[in-house]
Amino acid sequence: QVTLKESGPGILQPSQTLSLTCTFSGFSLSTYGMGVGWIRQPSGKGLEWLANIWWDDDKYYNPSLKNRLTISKDTSNNQAFLKITNVDTADTATYYCARISRGSVFDYWGQGVMVTVSS
Amino acid sequence: DVVLTQTPSTLSATIGQSVSISCRSSQSLLDSAGNTYLYWYLQRPGQSPQLLIYLVSNLGSGVPNRFSGSGSGTDFTLKISGVEAEDLGVYYCMQATHAPYTFGAGTKLELK
Repeated sequence: QVTLKESGPGILQPSQTLSLTCTFSGFSLSTYGMGVGWIRQPSGKGLEWLANIWWDDDKYYNPSLKNRLTISKDTSNNQAFLKITNVDTADTATYYCARISRGSVFDYWGQGVMVTVSS
Repeated sequence: DVVLTQTPSTLSATIGQSVSISCRSSQSLLDSAGNTYLYWYLQRPGQSPQLLIYLVSNLGSGVPNRFSGSGSGTDFTLKISGVEAEDLGVYYCMQATHAPYTFGAGTKLELK
């Protein structure tokens, strides 16, 4: 059974760094073809892809967030991480992590974690 | 970036009615290896998105066969053959052929 769960700070101030953790089970990020992606959704709005990390540590980022994103993983503890630097109110959203398997992108999603950026 | 245009933005249906959602891409989603990375997701109210269709026409795990996907190149369609109450929510198409991945704006399916 595949499960993913996001965790994060809940609220942070502008200019701080947002650190998110995705803890998963039912698959391994050391398995060929596997990956984890991060997607966010402002309240009442659509979905925005942020970044992916793959079993071989390959990483892809959405260039719209320029150099603010860093994705990483801890294979032995079944976790993936996303950092967003210099946040502002536009980063307020629900953040999801989701599994990528060969041919099937985002086939399992976490429940999401709400993040509010406010002074 | 690839722009995905979904129509309609809102769809009103009765239980048992068959409906279709269109997703048009600003460029072809066929890659050089012959793959088309077009996906459909449903987000029910208050829930995370769930995968319905992958690679244009393949049913996700546990997805009822009243859902079907079709299309090629730049034009894609999701069809629901006989809407059920549990199908209500927002449907998104997404492409993963071209970086960055992009989503359509969504189609809200509601009861008439």
